[in-house]
Amino acid sequence: DTGVSQDPRHKITKRGQNVTFRCDPISEHNRLYWYRQTLGQGPEFLTYFQNEAQLEKSRLLSDRFSAERPKGSFSTLEIQRTEQGDSAMYLCASSSPTGRPTLNTEAFFGQGTRLTVV
Amino acid sequence: AQSVTQLDSQVPVFEEAPVELRCNYSSSVSVYLFWYVQYPNQGLQLLLKYLSGSTLVKGINGFEAEFNKSQTSFHLRKPSVHISDTAEYFCAEAHAGNNRKLIWGLGTSLAVNP
Repeated sequence: DTGVSQDPRHKITKRGQNVTFRCDPISEHNRLYWYRQTLGQGPEFLTYFQNEAQLEKSRLLSDRFSAERPKGSFSTLEIQRTEQGDSAMYLCASSSPTGRPTLNTEAFFGQGTRLTVV
Repeated sequence: AQSVTQLDSQVPVFEEAPVELRCNYSSSVSVYLFWYVQYPNQGLQLLLKYLSGSTLVKGINGFEAEFNKSQTSFHLRKPSVHISDTAEYFCAEAHAGNNRKLIWGLGTSLAVNP
């Protein structure tokens, strides 16, 4: 396992189109996070899964955004009716190997998906 | 509300000089603290973390940071920087008791000049 992988790395879409991103976490990690990073800013938390359960969603995640993690493995983030303001880097991270003490809080990040809405 | 403040948005420094990147956190409860580095067009890589114990933590690439509870600070230091250290550096905190989501500072751009 080589770490967290995200697909695609880059996505250019027209305003109003739907897009879907995929994240494959480190296989033994049960926690998965989505963050959004706009140019010149730090990442902002979007949502969090523990196994297949989505336990928290930020108010940044409007009703056009939906995230899933079927079977507690990979996750998808879908944005419907994209707007120019959705242009950002979408980062996925995973942490907490299953069965180990939760003191291990290091989050491992993927390379991100850069979305450009034109 | 949780917040992380990185006091310098840009830090220019000459190669082989020492550098300190400042970070203040807001939480008054148990908190975990992190420094991540982001190279251009790359994801975030963990430099070091403070969970508990010794207040001086050492990370990769010769970086270290000191947890100061009284000043709510977690400044990052390196005694001698290289050109390859040029990158964006982010300080982040997570509470011990919640879902461990990270709250991030706005980042500090470190530019190492020859």
